[in-house]
Amino acid sequence: NAGVMQNPRHLVRRRGQEARLRCSPMKGHSHVYWYRQLPEEGLKFMVYLQKENIIDESGMPKERFSAEFPKEGPSILRIQQVVRGDSAAYFCASSLGGGAPYEQYFGPGTRLTVT
Amino acid sequence: TQLLEQSPQFLSIQEGENLTVYCNSSSVFSSLQWYRQEPGEGPVLLVTVVTGGEVKKLKRLTFQFGDARKDSSLHITAAQPGDTGLYLCAGVDVGSNYKLTFGKGTLLTVNP
Repeated sequence: NAGVMQNPRHLVRRRGQEARLRCSPMKGHSHVYWYRQLPEEGLKFMVYLQKENIIDESGMPKERFSAEFPKEGPSILRIQQVVRGDSAAYFCASSLGGGAPYEQYFGPGTRLTVT
Repeated sequence: TQLLEQSPQFLSIQEGENLTVYCNSSSVFSSLQWYRQEPGEGPVLLVTVVTGGEVKKLKRLTFQFGDARKDSSLHITAAQPGDTGLYLCAGVDVGSNYKLTFGKGTLLTVNP
């Protein structure tokens, strides 16, 4: 299966712990996007990365959230000192290039629950 | 901030019926994508429409992009239980050309 891979699929963290979400893009794709889906909300853009570069992080909360896409390995979304409001589904998408007409393909998501 | 409104929010129909769901905005998008999402899974891309007035068909699904590139519709003919799911539209921002703005979706249930 050459689709977008995310792990873990489910993650439970206590308040104050760190959450690390991983995303491996589709084979041949070098552009990665992270979105968050809160209950009763639509998916919201968080950040756009290329290898070793953050292109647009305008949707990321200013504190506790960070993202990276290293030269080797998956993209990581890190949430430090999690709070209950961080409970959501986090989706990663990848594309062949940046911008139109490149289509974004989504992974299965990581469901984060903060207790 | 660009917003996409989807209607109806919920739709429950019998197998064999036809239906149309709508995606509307006051903003122009460079293109618009339709996804279907099932519980516990990520959105699966169905189609991308780019040109104002464009119509695309995918088996029993017909997608249309408004002339002004502000709205879109999805029509399903002879719905089947396998069509059940959350249908999401997502517009590509003209300014960024990559940032997707999603609607909240239409939850479709097709009863056998």
